[in-house]
Amino acid sequence: EVQLLESGGGLVQPGGSLRLSCAASGFTFSNYWMAWVRQAPGKGPEYVASIKKDGIEKFYVDSVKGRFTISRDNAKKSLYLQMNSLRAEDAAIYYCASWYYSNGWYLNYWGQGTLVSVSS
Amino acid sequence: QTAVTQEPSFSVSPGGTVTLSCGLSSDSVSTTHNPSWYQQTPGQAPRTLIYNANIRSSGVPDRFSGSIFGNKAALTITGAQPDDESDYYCLLNMGSGIWVFGGGTKVTVL
Repeated sequence: EVQLLESGGGLVQPGGSLRLSCAASGFTFSNYWMAWVRQAPGKGPEYVASIKKDGIEKFYVDSVKGRFTISRDNAKKSLYLQMNSLRAEDAAIYYCASWYYSNGWYLNYWGQGTLVSVSS
Repeated sequence: QTAVTQEPSFSVSPGGTVTLSCGLSSDSVSTTHNPSWYQQTPGQAPRTLIYNANIRSSGVPDRFSGSIFGNKAALTITGAQPDDESDYYCLLNMGSGIWVFGGGTKVTVL
């Protein structure tokens, strides 16, 4: 059974930092591009970042560039999101998801999310 | 940045048919945008329904279908069930590694 289990969320003050983790199991993690997607309360999902299978190529939405860093450890089957200089608008549930290619890319597996709150 | 547009809400009768759309504010949606559709109920993670515009994900009932209709991507629910009451989001590939979700459509079955 495929599982993506996020952790590391919590309450942080504006300007603070958090590191999210996502532990993968049930599939060959190293064969998949991975992504972070967030969803603010009452809003739709927002794509945040993606990382290639080997961890070399990375993409970010403009609003987090220079503040967030996506990374992975294929030996540990884990995905990470280092979030610095956090703002109130970064508060959301953060989901880890895997990309799959079958005549086109899509997000096929999703975790249950970890909640990030940003407040003083 | 180009916005991905969806109807805010739709209401459908049980057994009825509803078509949701996914458009771009300044372009036409095509297969190059890799349209995919996701269903989400409150408190749950999104669930993949459709990818590559018209391919159903594993385990998705065949009452869900996807297409490109005119200049938009479309998700049709044929024979709506009470369990289909959810939020539906489309996701488009904008190129250069950037993907954008639509604002979502809330479907009510009553």
